[in-house]
Amino acid sequence: NAGVTQTPKFQVLKTGQSMTLQCAQDMNHEYMSWYRQDPGMGLRLIHYSVGAGITDQGEVPNGYNVSRSTTEDFPLRLLSAAPSQTSVYFCASSYGGDGYTFGSGTRLTVV
Amino acid sequence: AQSVSQHNHHVILSEAASLELGCNYSYGGTVNLFWYVQYPGQHLQLLLKYFSGDPLVKGIKGFEAEFIKSKFSFNLRKPSVQWSDTAEYFCAVSRAMEYGNKLVFGAGTILRVKS
Repeated sequence: NAGVTQTPKFQVLKTGQSMTLQCAQDMNHEYMSWYRQDPGMGLRLIHYSVGAGITDQGEVPNGYNVSRSTTEDFPLRLLSAAPSQTSVYFCASSYGGDGYTFGSGTRLTVV
Repeated sequence: AQSVSQHNHHVILSEAASLELGCNYSYGGTVNLFWYVQYPGQHLQLLLKYFSGDPLVKGIKGFEAEFIKSKFSFNLRKPSVQWSDTAEYFCAVSRAMEYGNKLVFGAGTILRVKS
């Protein structure tokens, strides 16, 4: 099993550009989430999904979109990048109420 | 809103010292509790978790945590730390049976172990 795979690992964007962070899991987990990690703030939930076709907003959803067309994939789209979105992004998946398995992260810099 | 507080942001210990990292949460209902570790440059890994039963849970790498319901606490402990325990530690809480299985994280504690 590969677990949770995120691409790319690093990305630099210019303000106003859009991009998609990819996330895929091969564990048939129903729950998937996107978090951003900023120094001193822990991880904050951006969006989450409870299954294919079902997504919802987390704590900091503004500027981000998600979709979940399959159980395996949960891409995160930045619509118009801003410097405030410079962060490390983690995708995670979970089965039922169990703990989440995290991907290796994407370090995004917006200039 | 539910919140998770970690008492210390930075902790520096010498090798073989004992470790205790504090974690308190604000939600009064039934919760699931987790400790994650993030080694430098890596992703989060689950150290241990508590759902129910014995409030003293043992995890990987010699870590343990105690759930004290009356204090809304879930403190992480290790009797003797090693240099390789240098990492950032996150406490996280989810509400049992809540829609979405959402985890709320504390701000993290950076542990540096001096050799």
